[in-house]
Amino acid sequence: DVKVTQSSRYLVKRTGEKVFLECVQDMDHENMFWYRQDPGLGLRLIYFSYDVKMKEKGDIPEGYSVSREKKERFSLILESASTNQTSMYLCASQRGGQETQYFGPGTRLLVL
Amino acid sequence: QKEVEQNSGPLSVPEGAIASLNCTYSDRGSQSFFWYRQYSGKSPELIMSIYSNGDKEDGRFTAQLNKASQYVSLLIRDSQPSDSATYLCAVTLPSGTYKYIFGTGTRLKVLA
Repeated sequence: DVKVTQSSRYLVKRTGEKVFLECVQDMDHENMFWYRQDPGLGLRLIYFSYDVKMKEKGDIPEGYSVSREKKERFSLILESASTNQTSMYLCASQRGGQETQYFGPGTRLLVL
Repeated sequence: QKEVEQNSGPLSVPEGAIASLNCTYSDRGSQSFFWYRQYSGKSPELIMSIYSNGDKEDGRFTAQLNKASQYVSLLIRDSQPSDSATYLCAVTLPSGTYKYIFGTGTRLKVLA
């Protein structure tokens, strides 16, 4: 079974803090994704990575950066957290382009 | 703008009935189609994937795809209260891309 884990289930941060969200998958998948999910807006893609050190912007990259130094690990960084980044953050991994994406448990981030 | 549209619901059905969830998509080049179930506060989990026109059955679930009409549906037979969740439709873009386009989901309530 594919296992995708995320570093925290719940996180509370202050405005202006630097925030790291980490995602690890154990299936040697090429592709990894970061989404945020907000009521009424659905899942929106922030960034994705198709190989180590490779990344592409998704639909809403502003205020975020990512890092993929190892194949199994994909990190999302909020350089200076703001209240409008309060959301559920979901990581997913995928073997290939048309295949199933598997999601981690999610991190619910509250920025005060 | 590439879109995937779902009725937000809630769709209420009595226990034991058939629940029918629908999804339309705008990009005729889409090749892969997925249904995810998401319980409140949890991450999406894959229910069904479908790649060619017609029906695909898995237990109580049947996915139906009609590419000419750009329509994909999910039928849940013998609905149970445990099926109460939000169902997300996801569609991939044409070959060579990694991204899904997600609908905003249909909330299903199965009444005991």
